[in-house]
Amino acid sequence: GQNIDQPTEMTATEGAIVQINCTYQTSGFNGLFWYQQHAGEAPTFLSYNVLDGLEEKGRFSSFLSRSKGYSYLLLKELQMKDSASYLCAVHSTGGFKTIFGAGTRLFVKA
Amino acid sequence: SQTIHQWPATLVQPVGSPLSLECTVEGTSNPNLYWYRQAAGRGLQLLFYSVGIGQISSEVPQNLSASRPQDRQFILSSKKLLLSDSGFYLCAWTPGTATYEQYFGPGTRLTVT
Repeated sequence: GQNIDQPTEMTATEGAIVQINCTYQTSGFNGLFWYQQHAGEAPTFLSYNVLDGLEEKGRFSSFLSRSKGYSYLLLKELQMKDSASYLCAVHSTGGFKTIFGAGTRLFVKA
Repeated sequence: SQTIHQWPATLVQPVGSPLSLECTVEGTSNPNLYWYRQAAGRGLQLLFYSVGIGQISSEVPQNLSASRPQDRQFILSSKKLLLSDSGFYLCAWTPGTATYEQYFGPGTRLTVT
């Protein structure tokens, strides 16, 4: 079956670092996406990991361990505008389908 | 540059009424197209995807259908809406090559009353 798990909600303080974890069990794996979704808006792309390891892009970094079925999104120097849902998604083999987790709602407080 | 449009932005429909949501992509050709539904506070559920004109794959059996009459047009339909069809409907596209990042439209918020 297909299963993607993320924490439902997290709270962090402005200026701090937060790590959002994602574990997955899917029938086929090509890569893992992270998307950001502000309330009432469409998701926007953050990162795509294909190989194991850490990929850094500005304040955001994403890590993947394929053997453990595990990924995390690391957000540094948190800003109020980072308050949003963060969706972990697995790109399945075959190229056409992406399976989304339920998302983690992040609240950044002053 | 590529853009994706969806309309309408919001819709309130009674139970049993028909539905037609439209999605168009500009600035690209032969995209892979997707319809997702997102219930309140939930993740994205893949409903349909299409890799070409007239080619539709259904992921979830339900009272919805999809069509792709033109290369860059994707339509989601229903003959009779159910209360459970309420949600945020998102259309997305990918280039259909080695790039699999999905680009989402602005979405349609559907409320079935």
